[in-house]
Amino acid sequence: GQSLEQPSEVTAVEGAIVQINCTYQTSGFYGLSWYQQHDGGAPTFLSYNALDGLEETGRFSSFLSRSDSYGYLLLQELQMKDSASYFCAVGPDSWGKLQFGAGTQVVVTP
Amino acid sequence: DAGITQSPRHKVTETGTPVTLRCHQTENHRYMYWYRQDPGHGLRLIHYSYGVKDTDKGEVSDGYSVSRSKTEDFLLTLESATSSQTSVYFCATRGKVDEKLFFGSGTQLSVL
Repeated sequence: GQSLEQPSEVTAVEGAIVQINCTYQTSGFYGLSWYQQHDGGAPTFLSYNALDGLEETGRFSSFLSRSDSYGYLLLQELQMKDSASYFCAVGPDSWGKLQFGAGTQVVVTP
Repeated sequence: DAGITQSPRHKVTETGTPVTLRCHQTENHRYMYWYRQDPGHGLRLIHYSYGVKDTDKGEVSDGYSVSRSKTEDFLLTLESATSSQTSVYFCATRGKVDEKLFFGSGTQLSVL
């Protein structure tokens, strides 16, 4: 089976940096993804890490350490529009399955 | 963005009635998924499909069945709806060699 853990909520001010950690336990590992979801909306893809290291996409970066079964999403130069829920997900496995964590709500304050 | 349409967008039904949710995609994606989203639980996989007529169970499949008779459509059926199935249901698709999921807008289902 698989399980993922991430903090339930993080609060930060505009312009700050936030790191959302994700630890996982899986029977087989194929990659770690991150998704963003605004209230009332659908999740949207942010990033994917299959190999160890840091992937940067604009203000957002994602990191993976397979030996530690750990990854994080780094949000820099926080903006009010970054207030949303962020989900980590493991997979897709050989059958195409992806499993999500419970999500971290990021609250950005002025 | 992938063309994914979920119908209906909202539905209110009574306990014990059958309910079918439809997901339609225009991207010719191989993989399709049904997730439910509840506060504190994130997105939980109900069923998924890796091809026409090829489906498998996810982590919360009890009380749900699915069918995929053609690439474009993935149906989720609640044979006899219960109040515990009140949730937001999301369909998602993924291409054969892509790790990215594209989500539909969701269906808000209330079982009274």
